[in-house]
Amino acid sequence: EVQLVESGGGLVQPGGSLRLSCAASGFTFSSYEMNWVRQAPGKGLEWVSYISSSGSTIYYADSVKGRFTISRDNAKNSLYLQMNSLRAEDTAVYYCARQARPGPTSDWGQGTLVTVSS
Amino acid sequence: AIRMTQSPSSFSASTGDRVTITCRASQGISSYLAWYQQKPGKAPKLLIYAASTLQSGVPSRFSGSGSGTDFTLTISCLQSEDFATYYCQQYYSYPPLTFGGGTKVEIK
Repeated sequence: EVQLVESGGGLVQPGGSLRLSCAASGFTFSSYEMNWVRQAPGKGLEWVSYISSSGSTIYYADSVKGRFTISRDNAKNSLYLQMNSLRAEDTAVYYCARQARPGPTSDWGQGTLVTVSS
Repeated sequence: AIRMTQSPSSFSASTGDRVTITCRASQGISSYLAWYQQKPGKAPKLLIYAASTLQSGVPSRFSGSGSGTDFTLTISCLQSEDFATYYCQQYYSYPPLTFGGGTKVEIK
């Protein structure tokens, strides 16, 4: 069974940093591309970042470019999102989601809540 | 960026109804269109990909159609467990991966 479990969310002050993790199991992690997608309270889904299976190709949404860094450790079956210079508008539930291009994001974790507030 | 526009944004329906949600892309995306269902406090669940292919385990009352810029999600006979918010997603061209704004299906 595919499992994606996010962790690392919490309350952080504006300008602060946070590192999210996504632990994967039940599939060959190194064969799949991964994404982070977020959802602000009461709002829709917003794609944040993508990383290829090897980690060689990375994309970011304009709203987080220069502040967030996606990475992965295939030996540890883990995906990460380093978030710096956090803003109130980054407050959201962050989901990790696996993808096998040319397909869509097929499986999602349960999400971790990030709250940016003073 | 490809913009995805869903309509309506919300509506009320009764169990047993046939319901249709539409999604329009700002440019052609072939059939690279997925539909997700999301219930409160839960992660989105993939229902349909490639515009019309049912994900394994998804009931056959769900169906999708369309290609190019115009797509529809149809629920043939609405069940109580289908009251949720539905999102379309294009994966034809990114970055960015883009989603529609969502359609909330509520109980009448």
